Amino acid sequence: DTGVSQDPRHKITKRGQNVTFRCDPISEHNRLYWYRQTLGQGPEFLTYFQNEAQLEKSRLLSDRFSAERPKGSFSTLEIQRTEQGDSAMYLCASSYHRDRSYEQYFGPGTRLTVT
Amino acid sequence: QQQVKQSPQSLIVQKGGISIINCAYENTAFDYFPWYQQFPGKGPALLIAIRPDVSEKKEGRFTISFNKSAKQFSLHIMDSQPGDSATYFCAASRMGSGNTGKLIFGQGTTLQVKP
Repeated sequence: DTGVSQDPRHKITKRGQNVTFRCDPISEHNRLYWYRQTLGQGPEFLTYFQNEAQLEKSRLLSDRFSAERPKGSFSTLEIQRTEQGDSAMYLCASSYHRDRSYEQYFGPGTRLTVT
Repeated sequence: QQQVKQSPQSLIVQKGGISIINCAYENTAFDYFPWYQQFPGKGPALLIAIRPDVSEKKEGRFTISFNKSAKQFSLHIMDSQPGDSATYFCAASRMGSGNTGKLIFGQGTTLQVKP
């Protein structure tokens, strides 16, 4: 399977705990995005990496959230001191801009439930 | 500020009918407009996308119509099938040098195709 993969697919945690999600983009895709999707809503942008550089962060990304993309390959999203409002689907997408191709391909997501 | 508005919220169509979903955007700098299909528990899958230099794009049973002056675009699903039952999201983005390409999504339309 050469698509975007995410791990874990589901995570249940207690309020106040830290969680970390991993995203493996499509090979050679230099652009990586994180989005958050709550029930019944469209995905909302969280942050963007071009290679290993984090170039944009949404205001939705509070200081409890941190993301990394070491060596421009996989990426991790960590949430510290989780709150019930963090419960959502966290989606990763990757793309490789060339010619006029701008398609973003999404992974299956990580469903986070904070109890 | 809601930058992409999508309607209707839900849609029921008979098998073989035409499904039409509409989106309107505010930011005239947007220059890439994709549509995504999402099944429950899955990540969004890219269906079809359009740039503002064309007014229509067709891929199989899916057609995007784009009206730059009205800042509106729509998805038409011809010969709708029960397997098309899913949630559809429109999105908009700014591409090109210096832009991240982050997607701004509409609120989604839940389509049900009755057999």
